[in-house]
Amino acid sequence: GAGVSQTPSNKVTEKGKYVELRCDPISGHTALYWYRQSLGQGPEFLIYFQGTGAADDSGLPNDRFFAVRPEGSVSTLKIQRTERGDSAVYLCASSSRDRGSPLHFGNGTRLTVT
Amino acid sequence: EDKVVQSPLSLVVHEGDTVTLNCSYEVTNFRSLLWYKQEKKAPTFLFMLTSSGIEKKSGRLSSILDKKELFSILNITATQTGDSAVYLCVAPMNNNAGNMLTFGGGTRLMVKP
Repeated sequence: GAGVSQTPSNKVTEKGKYVELRCDPISGHTALYWYRQSLGQGPEFLIYFQGTGAADDSGLPNDRFFAVRPEGSVSTLKIQRTERGDSAVYLCASSSRDRGSPLHFGNGTRLTVT
Repeated sequence: EDKVVQSPLSLVVHEGDTVTLNCSYEVTNFRSLLWYKQEKKAPTFLFMLTSSGIEKKSGRLSSILDKKELFSILNITATQTGDSAVYLCVAPMNNNAGNMLTFGGGTRLMVKP
């Protein structure tokens, strides 16, 4: 079956602009995560959804970052007033509800803020 | 604060060599430890370890967990150039939020022909 799908794969935007990154998880996976990965570092947790609700958004760096998952499937990560420091690969992952089940990652969106 | 530390940060070997990657962790309410391989894009799942002393194997890769000493190792025997990647060690936090992961910084492995 299809894996986690993220679009776009690459996004270049100017400083100050608004961007949306989309994640389509594996069908039936109720848990969805957003991570951010900078060059040479491990993924950094941003936000976790269980169903439609954000169960943990403690990793969002500031109020310019927001994510939604209105129907419990597709999620959108939104970044307002982008800054050059937001440049990174944004990874989405999903897993089944079972505790401890492995995460399945998408290929990520590489965001470059110029 | 929960943390996962991997060593070495990077490693260069030649095809046919055997490598051992290390991961130490301090995680509240430890439940499991996972290894991922990350090439150009998404991390791909390798192993999930929950019990000490039980080796997981998949082809030339194997991994084992020591819950007393709080570490895990990933072994790769007879390395091939296709093994070149970043290997991530990950520990889920057993909190009410569910399956939040604490990632190590990764070990970058380069296998030369």
